[in-house]
Amino acid sequence: AQSVAQPEDQVNVAEGNPLTVKCTYSVSGNPYLFWYVQYPNRGLQFLLKYITGDNLVKGSYGFEAEFNKSQTSFHLKKPSALVSDSALYFCAVRPGGYNKLIFGAGTRLAVHP
Amino acid sequence: DGGITQSPKYLFRKEGQNVTLSCEQNLNHDAMYWYRQDPGQGLRLIYYSQIVNDFQKGDIAEGYSVSREKKESFPLTVTSAQKNPTAFYLCASSIMAGSGTGELFFGEGSRLTVL
Repeated sequence: AQSVAQPEDQVNVAEGNPLTVKCTYSVSGNPYLFWYVQYPNRGLQFLLKYITGDNLVKGSYGFEAEFNKSQTSFHLKKPSALVSDSALYFCAVRPGGYNKLIFGAGTRLAVHP
Repeated sequence: DGGITQSPKYLFRKEGQNVTLSCEQNLNHDAMYWYRQDPGQGLRLIYYSQIVNDFQKGDIAEGYSVSREKKESFPLTVTSAQKNPTAFYLCASSIMAGSGTGELFFGEGSRLTVL
């Protein structure tokens, strides 16, 4: 079965420190990979995507993600966290030849002052 | 501005009542989707439509119905057959798969509470 895993329900980090939110996947073909962010009672906002090419992709608000094909991972990173980064983060994957996204369960990021 | 509009933002329903959630997009996207979000469970696909007058069941379609009479509109009806309808509902759209990367654009959501 095709799936996306976000192994951490919550990630806590101090403001100014680097952050990582993990995502691994198990899908067929060459997938497209996405990260979204959700603030309370809001819709999901697109952060970044990996389609092909450079394994390190840069996105909105200073976030970046590294695609690792051998480890089937797509971890979200930011060099210096802000309190305003506190939100719910979703990893999503579109398997090759598939017309739907598969979402992870989400990881809540809490950045403390 | 281009985007997706969901209404109402908050909705209360008595048990046994049907309720319809509106979703309108002006992005000229072919595909539209409805997701349900419950705490700790991520997003689950209810229905999706790739073209007008056609739609497919997602993973949790029981108790829900949709229509796609216009490209811009994809309303979701939560029927009385849905046993646990209290949730946050998200509508999304995308360029048709095959001509884009499948990236979804989301509305702001509708929170349904059954009293």
